[in-house]
Amino acid sequence: QQQVKQSPQSLIVQKGGISIINCAYENTAFDYFPWYQQFPGKGPALLIAIRPDVSEKKEGRFTISFNKSAKQFSLHIMDSQPGDSATYFCAAAHGGANNLFFGTGTRLTVIP
Amino acid sequence: GAGVSQSPSNKVTEKGKDVELRCDPISGHTALYWYRQRLGQGLEFLIYFQGNSAPDKSGLPSDRFSAERTGESVSTLTIQRTQQEDSAVYLCASSLVWGQSTEAFFGQGTRLTVV
Repeated sequence: QQQVKQSPQSLIVQKGGISIINCAYENTAFDYFPWYQQFPGKGPALLIAIRPDVSEKKEGRFTISFNKSAKQFSLHIMDSQPGDSATYFCAAAHGGANNLFFGTGTRLTVIP
Repeated sequence: GAGVSQSPSNKVTEKGKDVELRCDPISGHTALYWYRQRLGQGLEFLIYFQGNSAPDKSGLPSDRFSAERTGESVSTLTIQRTQQEDSAVYLCASSLVWGQSTEAFFGQGTRLTVV
């Protein structure tokens, strides 16, 4: 059972464009929603995270939008750069279990 | 150490052999996770340790898989009688259990190839 559903599976964006990756969840106990970035041959690394008490969090060119009622959250990458080309994973956790449930990943390619 | 360390980085084994994968978490991190990542796929949860105990073993795909952790530090993931479908990158992560923080830090993984 996939706890977190992620789309699209792959995404191609022109340099300077906006990349948008979406995730949805069912478990209303989730209270922590991170995004991880993974480059080939490397482990995933935390990019940005949000808690459900806010609807948006921005760090540089990366923004998480969170819709609690719809149980959805998304990652927006503004002014996408070729160096952003990587696989992005959304995840969700709830404090009691302290386990992370990952989406299936989105392979982003930013074309120069 | 500065980060999560996994060894070996690559392992090629013959079908039917046992393998042992090692993870050294960040010092002081009480939570430790093992994930499996097949080529081009997402992260499949295997097992999670809180201290030395594993409250959630639901992700282990079969009884050929086992894991242990000692001294709230090093963990080993053992796969017995390896099969070709076990070929994947095995990722370990650790996190500091403190308040609401569950940020997980990943190692670079062990690439297992079963031939």
